[in-house]
Amino acid sequence: KNEVEQSPQNLTAQEGEFITINCSYSVGISALHWLQQHPGGGIVSLFMLSSGKKKHGRLIATINIQEKHSSLHITASHPRDSAVYICAVTKGFGNNNDMRFGAGTRLTVKP
Amino acid sequence: EPEVTQTPSHQVTQMGQEVILRCVPISNHLYFYWYRQILGQKVEFLVSFYNNEISEKSEIFDDQFSVERPDGSNFTLKIRSTKLEDSAMYFCASKGTGYSPLHFGNGTRLTVT
Repeated sequence: KNEVEQSPQNLTAQEGEFITINCSYSVGISALHWLQQHPGGGIVSLFMLSSGKKKHGRLIATINIQEKHSSLHITASHPRDSAVYICAVTKGFGNNNDMRFGAGTRLTVKP
Repeated sequence: EPEVTQTPSHQVTQMGQEVILRCVPISNHLYFYWYRQILGQKVEFLVSFYNNEISEKSEIFDDQFSVERPDGSNFTLKIRSTKLEDSAMYFCASKGTGYSPLHFGNGTRLTVT
């Protein structure tokens, strides 16, 4: 069983729609990361969180530690949001740097 | 904004050859990482490096791989005797102290023929 599961695998939306991508994990973590991978392959870190909720522009990330679940929301989606969104977790605590990645959610936003 | 830079962007090598992938992390960062993404698959952790030594490594990071920070700015990944299955995108990342986010380079696409 994968330690990090994302859903959906693929998501197509119309411009302006509210988007939610979900992530569940099965291991103890010190942090959860949401990453954006562009078609050219480059990866950008969007959020790192260990509790609660964070907001940056039109992006919102939440995490429920008890349920081992996180969501990434995009409000007023735009075609430039089209990318692969990856959930990743830093396993364990202390100096443990081992990260495990989800398979990604491919988002396409149509104009 | 400071960036993590990786060179080359694309490397083609023959099976059995050694390759060195280069990364320049953000200058005041202390933690350095290599990740691999085989085409169509998820990103996989290879190794983390702190205080001039490996702090964590995955089961993928076997004796074929080594990392080095030779001069205080570059962070290199060496793959000895490359195999076809080493073909992948290799990402370098760095982070500062404490609870701070990762910064990724744009990756090196390695093709082993």
